Amino acid sequence: DTGVSQDPRHKITKRGQNVTFRCDPISEHNRLYWYRQTLGQGPEFLTYFQNEAQLEKSRLLSDRFSAERPKGSFSTLEIQRTEQGDSAMYLCASRTLYGGQHNEQFFGPGTRLTVL
Amino acid sequence: DQQVKQNSPSLSVQEGRISILNCDYTNSMFDYFLWYKKYPAEGPTFLISISSIKDKNEDGRFTVFLNKSAKHLSLHIVPSQPGDSAVYFCAASAMVLGSARQLTFGSGTQLTVLP
Repeated sequence: DTGVSQDPRHKITKRGQNVTFRCDPISEHNRLYWYRQTLGQGPEFLTYFQNEAQLEKSRLLSDRFSAERPKGSFSTLEIQRTEQGDSAMYLCASRTLYGGQHNEQFFGPGTRLTVL
Repeated sequence: DQQVKQNSPSLSVQEGRISILNCDYTNSMFDYFLWYKKYPAEGPTFLISISSIKDKNEDGRFTVFLNKSAKHLSLHIVPSQPGDSAVYFCAASAMVLGSARQLTFGSGTQLTVLP
């Protein structure tokens, strides 16, 4: 399977704990995105990488959130001192530099985070 | 401030009939519009897109119409099939120099196709 993969698929944690999610994009895709989706809403943009450089961050990305993409391949999203409001589906997406025929992003299955 | 709005949370249609899903936007900088389909426990899957220089794009049973003056787009599915039952998201991106080209999504419409 050459699609976007995410790990873990589900994570349950207690408030105050740190969590880390991983995303493996489609191998030739330079651009990588993180989104967050809460119940009844569409995905919301969090941050963007072009190769290994983090070029854009949403104001939704508080100081407790950090993302990396070492060597421009896989990416990690860490949330420190989790809060109940962080409970959501975290989606990773990737695309080629120039967008391809449809300008679409390819999404992974997401990591569902539940903070107790 | 929702820049992309899908005002119908749900829609039910009979198998074989037309499904029409609507989307409105407010940001004049949006120049590309996409529709994604999402099944439970899966990520969104790209369905069809349209550039702002066009007013219609067709792919098999799916057609997207864009009315720039009204800042409105719609997705038509003909004929509808039970397998089309899913949440449909409208999304848009803006061409701004150096931008991430991130997608701005609506809140989705749950389509149910009844056999």
